[in-house]
Amino acid sequence: EAQVTQNPRYLITVTGKKLTVTCSQNMNHEYMSWYRQDPGLGLRQIYYSMNVEVTDKGDVPEGYKVSRKEKRNFPLILESPSPNQTSLYFCASRRGRGATGELFFGEGSRLTVL
Amino acid sequence: QKEVEQDPGPLSVPEGAIVSLNCTYSNSAFQYFMWYRQYSRKGPELLMYTYSSGNKEDGRFTAQVDKSSKYISLFIRDSQPSDSATYLCAMSAGNNNDMRFGAGTRLTVKP
Repeated sequence: EAQVTQNPRYLITVTGKKLTVTCSQNMNHEYMSWYRQDPGLGLRQIYYSMNVEVTDKGDVPEGYKVSRKEKRNFPLILESPSPNQTSLYFCASRRGRGATGELFFGEGSRLTVL
Repeated sequence: QKEVEQDPGPLSVPEGAIVSLNCTYSNSAFQYFMWYRQYSRKGPELLMYTYSSGNKEDGRFTAQVDKSSKYISLFIRDSQPSDSATYLCAMSAGNNNDMRFGAGTRLTVKP
């Protein structure tokens, strides 16, 4: 089954404690992206990757890091989480480079930073 | 001004009603228009996809694009409780990373 898998789905952590949210896709997609979703603000892009070893900032990259060492994986790293990073996070992938195709989303990771 | 504007609702309708969801946008370069449906505790899933202006119908769903007015709509006929979800519009000019999303409209269809 074609899917994007995120882990963990739910996480409560404390300020400053480094965490990683993993994302894996099994569709051999070139493009992957991370979004955060907040009430009234919709989906905002954090980082994206056009292919292996190619990453770039989205609209709200501050406080986040990513890496793309393998095509299927695109982890999101919060080096020192703060309460304003409490949000619902989605990983997504898409075939090809142009933003014309369907985005496939994971089921989301709800993060709470105390 | 946001690049894509969407009324967040919430919108509540009785079963069987016709639902109209709308988005406006400011970037005249957008050519690809999508509607995603997001159920509670799930990720968004593509519902409708339209290129340029015109209408597209798929069962009870119709997507409409008016590029001259920079306005897109999603119509749901004979709405069902299973249509209760958040609907996000999305659009792109077709470049590498230029897809933009609306804030989403939360819809509830009551039996």
